[in-house]
Amino acid sequence: RKEVEQDPGPFNVPEGATVAFNCTYSNSASQSFFWYRQDCRKEPKLLMSVYSSGNEDGRFTAQLNRASQYISLLIRDSKLSDSATYLCVVRSGGYQKVTFGIGTKLQVIP
Amino acid sequence: GAGVSQSPSNKVTEKGKDVELRCDPISGHTALYWYRQSLGQGLEFLIYFQGNSAPDKSGLPSDRFSAERTGGSVSTLTIQRTQQEDSAVYLCASSLRDGGINEQFFGPGTRLTVL
Repeated sequence: RKEVEQDPGPFNVPEGATVAFNCTYSNSASQSFFWYRQDCRKEPKLLMSVYSSGNEDGRFTAQLNRASQYISLLIRDSKLSDSATYLCVVRSGGYQKVTFGIGTKLQVIP
Repeated sequence: GAGVSQSPSNKVTEKGKDVELRCDPISGHTALYWYRQSLGQGLEFLIYFQGNSAPDKSGLPSDRFSAERTGGSVSTLTIQRTQQEDSAVYLCASSLRDGGINEQFFGPGTRLTVL
């Protein structure tokens, strides 16, 4: 089983729709969780960290479920500019090594 | 301020040649990472440097790959006797310090093509 698993998609959604991605991780001792965004042929950039209590940033909501070992990303009122690949990132251990998921591709359609 | 820079941006080489890829992290960032990303694939961890500690080389795919970081700043990833399967985008990232939730800032990558 991969350390971090994501559905690669693509998810094709109309503008204004709500879309959610899940990401599962295998190491129950994982400590930190993040969502990164990667545009086509660009480098990944941090979208948001995922806190145990869940967190929201505008139209984006991230949640962590430790019992089931998954994190989720919810995007409300999708915009064309949200089209990108969303990478799930998990950090385990006492230092900064992280594991990236394969990414979920989102395409928002006019 | 200046972000992470990488050079060259593109490199085309012949099978069997050696290549060197360079990464300049953000000034003051003590942690530096190398990843590679093949077409349609996720990021594959290669190596991690943290300050003066011994690097974590657990992700290097073979002994043809090596990396060093001089003076705690610039890093060079070297691939010897390149193979076609080495073709990928090689990404470097840096972060401020060890531990906690510290954002990794990525460079634009070096696209390596081995003919």
